[in-house]
Amino acid sequence: KAGVTQTPRYLIKTRGQQVTLSCSPISGHRSVSWYQQTPGQGLQFLFEYFSETQRNKGNFPGRFSGRQFSNSRSEMNVSTLELGDSALYLCASREGNEQFFGPGTRLTVL
Amino acid sequence: GENVEQHPSTLSVQEGDSAVIKCTYSDSASNYFPWYKQELGKRPQLIIDIRSNVGEKKDQRIAVTLNKTAKHFSLHITETQPEDSAVYFCAARNAGGTSYGKLTFGQGTILTVHP
Repeated sequence: KAGVTQTPRYLIKTRGQQVTLSCSPISGHRSVSWYQQTPGQGLQFLFEYFSETQRNKGNFPGRFSGRQFSNSRSEMNVSTLELGDSALYLCASREGNEQFFGPGTRLTVL
Repeated sequence: GENVEQHPSTLSVQEGDSAVIKCTYSDSASNYFPWYKQELGKRPQLIIDIRSNVGEKKDQRIAVTLNKTAKHFSLHITETQPEDSAVYFCAARNAGGTSYGKLTFGQGTILTVHP
C-alpha cells in the first residue's frame, strides 16, 4: 500500500494570509490526525478526523481548522497566519492502534 | 490531560554500546505506547509499540518495557549502529477512551552513535 502523502511539501506565506494543507491517508484508513512539530514545542496534537467527523481537538486557537472528505482525505486550514505558525505540519493515518505519518508540510511564515 | 516526560534529551554512545531512553506518563488510563524514530528531514517512523497488557516487547535489537504501576516505559537499543542516530520520540494514548487517536508525545531524545 502507498504511504501517507501530504501536499504541498513546502509553503512560504506572509503574516495574515491563510493556508490549506492536504493529506491523503493510507488506503483503507479512516482516521486522520494532524500534528504540529516545532523545535521548541515538539510534536503537538491538532485534531483527529474519523469518517468525516472531528473526534478530538488539541489546544490550538480557532484559526486552526480541518475537515475530512468521504474518501478519507483531509485538509487543514490556518487563517490569519502568525510568525509562530511556522512549523512542520504532519498528518498521520490510523486503522487500529498503529499510526503512520506523512512526510509533512514545512510552512514558513514571513 | 496526559503529560509525557522523556529523558535524556540527548544521548551519545559508541557503536556497539546499548542505549536506553525513558519516559513517564501521567494518565493511568493510557494503554498504548509507541516509539517513533525521526531521521533528519524525514517523517517519524513507528519502530515499536507496546500495550498495557504486556510488560515487555522485543524486535531484534530494539525492546520496550512498561511498568504500569510506576507509569513509565523505556526503549532499549542494543548493539547500536551509526544508522541508529536519530531523534526518538515516545508517546502515550488511551486507546479505549475519548482521546481516540490522539498521541501525546515526549520531547524527544537526540541519539548519536559514534563509529
